Amino acid sequence: EAQVTQNPRYLITVTGKKLTVTCSQNMNHEYMSWYRQDPGLGLRQIYYSMNVEVTDKGDVPEGYKVSRKEKRNFPLILESPSPNQTSLYFCASSPTQWDVNTGELFFGEGSRLTVL
Amino acid sequence: DAKTTQPPSMDCAEGRAANLPCNHSTISGNEYVYWYRQIHSQGPQYIIHGLKNNETNEMASLIITEDRKSSTLILPHATLRDTAVYYCIVRVEYSTLTFGKGTMLLVSP
Repeated sequence: EAQVTQNPRYLITVTGKKLTVTCSQNMNHEYMSWYRQDPGLGLRQIYYSMNVEVTDKGDVPEGYKVSRKEKRNFPLILESPSPNQTSLYFCASSPTQWDVNTGELFFGEGSRLTVL
Repeated sequence: DAKTTQPPSMDCAEGRAANLPCNHSTISGNEYVYWYRQIHSQGPQYIIHGLKNNETNEMASLIITEDRKSSTLILPHATLRDTAVYYCIVRVEYSTLTFGKGTMLLVSP
């Protein structure tokens, strides 16, 4: 089954304790992206990657790191989490960002992160 | 990218057609109209997209006015499982998707 898998789905952590949210897709997609969703602010893009070893900042990259060493994986790293990073995080992928006719972004189920 | 305006909420009776409007009066000629939906706290789901012509797929129909300043997403026979937030997005080809606040559609029995 074609899917985007995120782990963990739920996590409660403390300020400053490094954590990684993994994202994996099995559709051989070139494009992958991370979003965060907060009440009243909608979905905001954190980072995106157009292909292996190519990553770019989105709208809210501060406090986050990403890497794209393999096509299927795009982990989100919080080196020193803070309470303002408490949010619902979504990973997404699509065949390519450039081909508008593919249109479709496939989203993962989401990871709810709480930083105390 | 052009901004969109959607009503914050709408109601629809189960089995009836749900018509969700979207205003994008500043859309430019190379911007596409996309619709996604998000069922409570799940990942958003692609529905349909179009440029000028009306489009239909197994989920919905997209009607774009001739001047392209507005569009309507039609769910022909709404079910309770269609209760979700619906996002209308306009996007030029080489840009990322930017999600607004969308319309909360509540389908009632």
